[in-house]
Amino acid sequence: EIVLTQSPDFQSVTPKEKVTITCRASQSIGSSLHWYQQKPDQSPKLLIKYASQSISGVPSRFSGSGSGTDFTLTINSLEAEDAAAYYCHQSSSLPQTFGQGTKVEIK
Amino acid sequence: QVQLVESGGGLVKPGGSLRLSCAASGFTFSDYYMSWIRQAPGKGLEWVSYISSSGSTIYYADSVKGRFTISRDNAKNSLYLQMNSLRAEDTAVYYCARESGLGGMDVWGQGTTVTVSS
Repeated sequence: EIVLTQSPDFQSVTPKEKVTITCRASQSIGSSLHWYQQKPDQSPKLLIKYASQSISGVPSRFSGSGSGTDFTLTINSLEAEDAAAYYCHQSSSLPQTFGQGTKVEIK
Repeated sequence: QVQLVESGGGLVKPGGSLRLSCAASGFTFSDYYMSWIRQAPGKGLEWVSYISSSGSTIYYADSVKGRFTISRDNAKNSLYLQMNSLRAEDTAVYYCARESGLGGMDVWGQGTTVTVSS
């Protein structure tokens, strides 16, 4: 099973700041890494697919990068509505797995 | 609009059974792989199972293998999860999700809550 480790677990950020969340895979997964946002009491929402591909309707301040074992989700100029938990997810091999999540709080 | 609606959750005693359903609308259900994902209270996401568009390919997480059965009825645009021999650690919100086929799970239901407790 491929283990995904996110860092940090928690981040408290001021609006307009830049946020960087990393996801490290226990073995190479190519670009089969996707990012989700989950706001309190809501279902997860797909933000980025295949490491860096944007999703229609997702604000352009969200971007992704990386390949192999190291990936990054960047939120440029954080807005109050971005308070949420963020999860990475790999679909390279079964079982599919998720990172443990990163909670982003707005100061 | 594209929508997934789960149902069937509830309170069940350890060792009991439940059948979850997921009703799809707004897209051609039979074209897509589907997955079940769960989230224990205050915890992260755990992938549980998936099924191919035809139902011929199925995979389970080790934590549920032998106890849970995923199935689908394309004529009814519905996905199911039969859960037997339930344990306290199966307590979670269960989501159904559409595998986009182009990367990631792009449509999620609102979730249904399963509580296993005596």
